[in-house]
Amino acid sequence: AQSVAQPEDQVNVAEGNPLTVKCTYSVSGNPYLFWYVQYPNRGLQFLLKYITGDNLVKGSYGFEAEFNKSQTSFHLKKPSALVSDSALYFCAVRDPNSGNTPLVFGKGTRLSVIA
Amino acid sequence: EPEVTQTPSHQVTQMGQEVILRCVPISNHLYFYWYRQILGQKVEFLVSFYNNEISEKSEIFDDQFSVERPDGSNFTLKIRSTKLEDSAMYFCASSERDRAYEQYFGPGTRLTVT
Repeated sequence: AQSVAQPEDQVNVAEGNPLTVKCTYSVSGNPYLFWYVQYPNRGLQFLLKYITGDNLVKGSYGFEAEFNKSQTSFHLKKPSALVSDSALYFCAVRDPNSGNTPLVFGKGTRLSVIA
Repeated sequence: EPEVTQTPSHQVTQMGQEVILRCVPISNHLYFYWYRQILGQKVEFLVSFYNNEISEKSEIFDDQFSVERPDGSNFTLKIRSTKLEDSAMYFCASSERDRAYEQYFGPGTRLTVT
């Protein structure tokens, strides 16, 4: 069964500094990987996904993520953090070989960008 | 930009009562999902729906739960007899197609069972 680990409950970064939110996964075969962001009292918003191809994926709001198969990781990155990036970030995985499988989410990482 | 909508935004009900949570997925999407998020915990899958039938469900989705697409636009989640532990944020999602396609989430319905 697929699973996702987000090892950090909280990440604090100063505005303007680069940020990284970590994610590792476990799935048989090649995974489909997603990042979502959740702002207070809002639903989850899709940021980016990795399906196949280039390991570096670019998404919304200047975020990017790098798929690393050997380390089974899909860390979310941004070169220069904004205060408005402060939110809850979820990594999710999907097994492409198992029919209409749902997204399996990590527990989330709260990002706090300090001015 | 099209979006998934959900009503109501907040539902308070007494234990044992039936509730129906409503969702309007994005119009050209074919796959529909319900997830829930208990306060402070991770988002958990409940059920997926395609071609007017359940395609997958989790162990959370027991006989107290049901889903329906009563017309061409709405997608509902019914809880027949609510329990205190059903209190959570319930998210509806839809995707254009399966697997590789991202799911778009609604803003959620906060269900409070007292």
